[in-house]
Amino acid sequence: NAGVMQNPRHLVRRRGQEARLRCSPMKGHSHVYWYRQLPEEGLKFMVYLQKENIIDESGMPKERFSAEFPKEGPSILRIQQVVRGDSAAYFCASSPQGFYGDTQYFGPGTRLTVL
Amino acid sequence: DQQVKQNSPSLSVQEGRISILNCDYTNSMFDYFLWYKKYPAEGPTFLISISSIKDKNEDGRFTVFLNKSAKHLSLHIVPSQPGDSAVYFCAASAVTGGGNKLTFGTGTQLKVEL
Repeated sequence: NAGVMQNPRHLVRRRGQEARLRCSPMKGHSHVYWYRQLPEEGLKFMVYLQKENIIDESGMPKERFSAEFPKEGPSILRIQQVVRGDSAAYFCASSPQGFYGDTQYFGPGTRLTVL
Repeated sequence: DQQVKQNSPSLSVQEGRISILNCDYTNSMFDYFLWYKKYPAEGPTFLISISSIKDKNEDGRFTVFLNKSAKHLSLHIVPSQPGDSAVYFCAASAVTGGGNKLTFGTGTQLKVEL
């Protein structure tokens, strides 16, 4: 049973370009969470999605960031017009139910570097 | 505002001894707590969790203790093994209307020496 998959593992972008990060949840999981880890910090929640729905985006920056989890295909975190401060590791996690106490399983992360 | 705090950025113990990692929280709404282990260039791996209705949960070499009145939890690893060397994150969640977002501490780097 494959775990959570993220691609690309490393992404380099120049300032002003767009970054697209993909996450395929574990088989049977329909709940996806995105977290960001800045250097020397813990992971910070960004957004929680179910298929075709954004449930909680309270951790998403108001501008340039968007997320989706379509009916078919992976969840996508999109960052438009990237800036150097967006350089971080972005982790996706999935869970089977999304209930309180439901364990989240993390992918290996995408390390974004903005030049 | 750091709601989950891990005040020790690093910890070094000898193989076979006990490792104790500590975590404090400030948000009284948190009622479910987890520990994750993370190796470099990998995602966090779930270790153990505890609900606020308990004060202890044990799984093999790992035990988590929760002191609600002090808003403090700790992870005990005994005996410690070299493969336990990693960054350990404490995380917390609260019952909400939707989802189960986690609030993480900044991590403690554990080094188990031979």
